[in-house]
Formats: sequence, structure tokens, C-alpha cells
Amino acid sequence: AQSVTQLDSQVPVFEEAPVELRCNYSSSVSVYLFWYVQYPNQGLQLLLKYLSGSTLVKGINGFEAEFNKSQTSFHLRKPSVHISDTAEYFCAVTPLHGSARQLTFGSGTQLTVLP
Amino acid sequence: DAGVIQSPRHEVTEMGQEVTLRCKPISGHDYLFWYRQTMMRGLELLIYFNNNVPIDDSGMPEDRFSAKMPNASFSTLKIQPSEPRDSAVYFCASSPGTSGSAYNEQFFGPGTRLTVL
Repeated sequence: AQSVTQLDSQVPVFEEAPVELRCNYSSSVSVYLFWYVQYPNQGLQLLLKYLSGSTLVKGINGFEAEFNKSQTSFHLRKPSVHISDTAEYFCAVTPLHGSARQLTFGSGTQLTVLP
Repeated sequence: DAGVIQSPRHEVTEMGQEVTLRCKPISGHDYLFWYRQTMMRGLELLIYFNNNVPIDDSGMPEDRFSAKMPNASFSTLKIQPSEPRDSAVYFCASSPGTSGSAYNEQFFGPGTRLTVL
């Protein structure tokens, strides 16, 4: 079984400042990792994913994340945020092997960008 | 590509009534997932299908909930009878079955906001 912990439920940050949203996971097997974003009253949209290869993954809207296997972390970063980045962000994992395809989500981090 | 389509977008009903939520996955996707989102419990997987066959329904809260996928382009989630604690946003997602750039990625619909009075 897998579990995902998002350490901060709310992150307020000023516009143009850098931000890091933290994600740690626990799993007895190797996993794929994802970050999704949910804008108000919308469904989830994929920001980026780590499947294999380079541990630094770049996604849409200037976001990037780094996979750290030893620390079982997959933190999301952006060097300069915009008001439009205000949304809820979800980290998720799914097993690398086997037939199971369900995602296990963290509890979410609400990012609020202040003017 | 129209993406995952869900209907209705909003549903308000009274306790005890039957509620049916509908989902049309992205054409060609082999997997379909139903999630429920609440403030208290976050995102919960209810059930998922592969090639129209239910694979894991361990997240379905109780017998009042049922889901069907009669064909590759349509799925329903039914609650009968509905209760106030079923109030939530219900999401449908679909995923391609084969390898490729979208492997294991889930594409979400806009959700149905259900309010049971």
C-alpha cells in the first residue's frame, strides 16, 4: 500500500516570490509520482509527473519537481509565482509495476498568491 | 478532444431520493475512475473499471452506491437512497491503457457537485 503526506495544508506567498510545496510518500514498491493542480470549481489537471530518468522534472506553468528516492520526497517548486497560480495542489503516487492503476493522493496544499 | 464529460455539473436533491451521475471518458481510454472529494476526507477513489469491467470497488462506501459501465463511452454512479452525508464533489477520470507519454496519467472531468438536503 502507498501513502502520501503533504506537509503544508496552506501556503500563502507574495506574487513573484519563490514557492516550494512539500510531498513525502511511503510505499513498499517503486512508484510513479504526480503533481496535479485544481483551480476553483474545476477538475484536477496534471502539472507534471516522474516516471523514470532525470530526477528533476519540468511541468506546465513554470513548475518543476525533484524526485529524491532516499528521502522519499517529490517537492514542487516555482521560482516566481503569479496570482493565477492560486489553487490547490495534490501530490499522488501509483505503483510502478503490476495491474493496479489507482492513484493515492495526498490531502492537498492550498497555495494562495498575494498581491 | 472534448476531454472527460460529466453531467450534471450540479445536483441538489432531497434525502431519500435516487441520484445518478454520468460520465463519458476520453475516447480510446481503457480505464475509468470515480472519485469523491470532501473537505473532511479529501479525494477518495470509489471504484475503477478496466475495459468496462469493475476492477476495484473497495472504496464504495456502502450498498447505497453502485456504478456501472455498460460500454466504453459511458459510466454511471448511482446513489439510492441518498443521504446528506453523500454531499460532495464527484469526479470521473479516464486513463489510457497502453504505454506512451500518457501512461498512468489520469484525465479528470469537471466534477458533479452533489448537495443532499
